Amino acid sequence: DGGITQSPKYLFRKEGQNVTLSCEQNLNHDAMYWYRQDPGQGLRLIYYSQIVNDFQKGDIAEGYSVSREKKESFPLTVTSAQKNPTAFYLCATTTGGDYGYTFGSGTRLTVV
Amino acid sequence: GDSVTQMEGPVTLSEEAFLTINCTYTATGYPSLFWYVQYPGEGLQLLLKATKADDKGSNKGFEATYRKETTSFHLEKGSVQVSDSAVYFCALSGSGGSYIPTFGRGTSLIVHP
Repeated sequence: DGGITQSPKYLFRKEGQNVTLSCEQNLNHDAMYWYRQDPGQGLRLIYYSQIVNDFQKGDIAEGYSVSREKKESFPLTVTSAQKNPTAFYLCATTTGGDYGYTFGSGTRLTVV
Repeated sequence: GDSVTQMEGPVTLSEEAFLTINCTYTATGYPSLFWYVQYPGEGLQLLLKATKADDKGSNKGFEATYRKETTSFHLEKGSVQVSDSAVYFCALSGSGGSYIPTFGRGTSLIVHP
């Protein structure tokens, strides 16, 4: 079945560490997105990519980095510069705005 | 810029009650409108959509009608079940040619037996 796989489901990070969240899709969708979700704040866009080897900053890109070397993959690195990284991270894809978005099951990152 | 406003939650109902979750939007052009549902600990799932004025999206007993004159896309269900307890997000995209979606803040629905 086609879909989006996010891994790991739970991730713990020590202060000062970089961590990378994986997002893989087999839907053949061009556009991929990373969102951060905090309680009561809805979804906030971190980065997005509409084609391979190109990506754009979203509303809260500081402290995060991404790459898009393959159509299927859009990993997100949470760097030590992100001061408050504890959150639920969601990856999404679309083949076009009218079709809606497919979301992964999310990664919950906790700083310990 | 674009924006989506949803009613504050939580919305608490008894099983078999009628549900309305209000959603209004501000956008340029003619966006597509969506409702997503999120169950605890999971990602969002597309519930229904409408791509032009007066369209009605429907799925699993939920309905919403694209009202351009009132810039609204209210979610309704005639008889809710305990299993409908979740957070519901209203969203738009395609405004001004952009495929970056704009989401509301979400409305939590709690259904009691």
